[in-house]
Amino acid sequence: QSALTQPASVSGSPGQSITISCTGTSNDIGSYNLVSWYQQHPAKAPKVIIYEGNKRPSGISDRFSGSKSGNTASLTISGLQADDEADYYCCSYAGDNTWVFGGGTKLTVL
Amino acid sequence: EVQLLESGGGLAQPGVSLTLSCAASGFTFSTYAMSWVRQAPGKGLEWVSVISSSGSTNYADSVKGRFTISRDNSKNTVYLQMRTLRDEDTAVFYCAREGSSSSFDYWGHGALVTVSS
Repeated sequence: QSALTQPASVSGSPGQSITISCTGTSNDIGSYNLVSWYQQHPAKAPKVIIYEGNKRPSGISDRFSGSKSGNTASLTISGLQADDEADYYCCSYAGDNTWVFGGGTKLTVL
Repeated sequence: EVQLLESGGGLAQPGVSLTLSCAASGFTFSTYAMSWVRQAPGKGLEWVSVISSSGSTNYADSVKGRFTISRDNSKNTVYLQMRTLRDEDTAVFYCAREGSSSSFDYWGHGALVTVSS
């Protein structure tokens, strides 16, 4: 149950696009199309923004998109806005009714 | 409206036990799996435990043998009994509903557990 690997921080200017990577193993990301991404603002509960790798829940902007290749998943945020500044976490189902999260990425909007 | 409300957090000494509760409303509780996810101060999210709609359970290695998850469908409540608490168990504990896509689609506001002598 090792944590997925994410960059500690990324940054971008308003209007730009950024991508956050999430690297796992063949036991989690590589085996299941069940990667989800969560946005967490300071002192708030996480909120799901992507599930099943590339699907958006109702009400989530289409500026958020997800993809997967092999053991690595990615979250892309286009048209950066000030309110996108938050921590982002990936999560993968890891089999046997277990889940594993990434270490989190702090997004700074410059 | 789906709501999850955790309670039972607080200050505990190392080695003691503490039980968290999560009261659910706004959905058919008995048909959903529920998980606990924790976040140590300034750290990332860590999945802790799950209980399925049928009552099967599983745990992260870090808590296996010390924590027990249970549910009472008549009370729409999921519990996390934590025994032999350690300093490293200090965290905000979130209750989360597992959606149909194996993601956590609703979260509570969290309950802070501080383990310190």
